[in-house]
Amino acid sequence: EVQLVESGGGLVQPGGSLRLSCSASGFTFDSFAMHWVRQAPGKGLEYVSAITYNGGSTYYADSVKGRFTISRDNSKNTLYLQMSSLRVEDTAVYHCVKDSRSRSLWSLDYWGQGTLVTVSS
Amino acid sequence: ETVLTQSPGTLSLSPGERATLSCRASQRVSSNYLAWYQQKPGQAPRLLIYGASSRATGIPDRFSGSGSGTDFTLTITRLEPEDFAVYYCQQYANSPPWTFGQGTKVEI
Repeated sequence: EVQLVESGGGLVQPGGSLRLSCSASGFTFDSFAMHWVRQAPGKGLEYVSAITYNGGSTYYADSVKGRFTISRDNSKNTLYLQMSSLRVEDTAVYHCVKDSRSRSLWSLDYWGQGTLVTVSS
Repeated sequence: ETVLTQSPGTLSLSPGERATLSCRASQRVSSNYLAWYQQKPGQAPRLLIYGASSRATGIPDRFSGSGSGTDFTLTITRLEPEDFAVYYCQQYANSPPWTFGQGTKVEI
């Protein structure tokens, strides 16, 4: 059974930093691209970032480019999102999401429950 | 960036009725790389449809996707009580970052 468990969320002041982690199990982690998708309270889904199966390529939404860094440790089956220069508008539940196709960028088939990041003074 | 516009914003229906949800793209979605997701309150989204018309594993056949180019549709025949939720379309053509529609709420 695929499991994605996010951690690292919490309350942070504007301008601060936070690192999210996602522990993955139940599939061959180093064969699949991984993604972060966020959802502000009461709002829709917003695509944040992606990383290929081997970490060779990374992608970012314009809203987070230059502030967020996605990475992965395939030896630990863990995905990360380093967030810096946080803004109030970054407040959201951050979901770790598995790509549906091996060694590709495709649809998003398994989602973690998410971790809440609140940016507020 | 490809903007996805979903309509209607809210669909009020009864169990047993048919739901038709629309997703329109601001530019052609190549190879029909369009997915649909269902999200219930307090839960993570679930993949329903990929490639515009292929059902994901374990998705009942009352869910179907259709369309191509810029116009896509999710149809739910015979709504079950558990189908009342918010539905999002998403395009994954070209390289990320990808985009989601704003969602359609299907309510009783």
